[in-house]
Amino acid sequence: AQSVTQLGSHVSVSEGALVLLRCNYSSSVPPYLFWYVQYPNQGLQLLLKYTTGATLVKGINGFEAEFKKSETSFHLTKPSAHMSDAAEYFCAVILPGSYIPTFGRGTSLIVHP
Amino acid sequence: GAVVSQHPSRVICKSGTSVKIECRSLDFQATTMFWYRQFPKKSLMLMATSNEGSKATYEQGVEKDKFLINHASLTLSTLTVTSAHPEDSSFYICSAARDRVDSPLHFGNGTRLTVT
Repeated sequence: AQSVTQLGSHVSVSEGALVLLRCNYSSSVPPYLFWYVQYPNQGLQLLLKYTTGATLVKGINGFEAEFKKSETSFHLTKPSAHMSDAAEYFCAVILPGSYIPTFGRGTSLIVHP
Repeated sequence: GAVVSQHPSRVICKSGTSVKIECRSLDFQATTMFWYRQFPKKSLMLMATSNEGSKATYEQGVEKDKFLINHASLTLSTLTVTSAHPEDSSFYICSAARDRVDSPLHFGNGTRLTVT
């Protein structure tokens, strides 16, 4: 079985500062990895995904994440936070051959002016 | 644009009544759809996996007679909350998967259910 750990239920940054949201996973085989964003009272929107190939993946809104197999991590970063980035962020994994994702518990990103 | 449409976005109902929530994939055929319940502390709980033309697979602890799921076509799945109680009040989200296992899920915008 796979699991996902998102360290920190809340992350607070100042506008313009670096954003770092952590995600570690546990899996018997290299999984597919995803980051989703959720704005209030909305569903989840895909930010980026890693399946195979280049381990540094770029997503929408200036976000990127790097798959580090040795660290079983897939941390999400953005060089400069905007107020509009304030939202909930979910990391998810899917084992190859399965449609069913496992989600982390989410991290709330708070951006201060 | 949205590829999964969920309706209604908000619904208020009285205890004892039933509520139906629809989830439609707009531009692809979804052989598999998922229903989630999101609790106030954000965690997403998978309720069931819905496969077109067959019975849904419910997660442990989810009452299948209370949360009826129907996936009658490749573009539509419905969740009916039967005999709703205030504790059923929650945010329900559907998602759909294309036929490739490495494809991300596409989510509906959720339904806020309030049972009075």
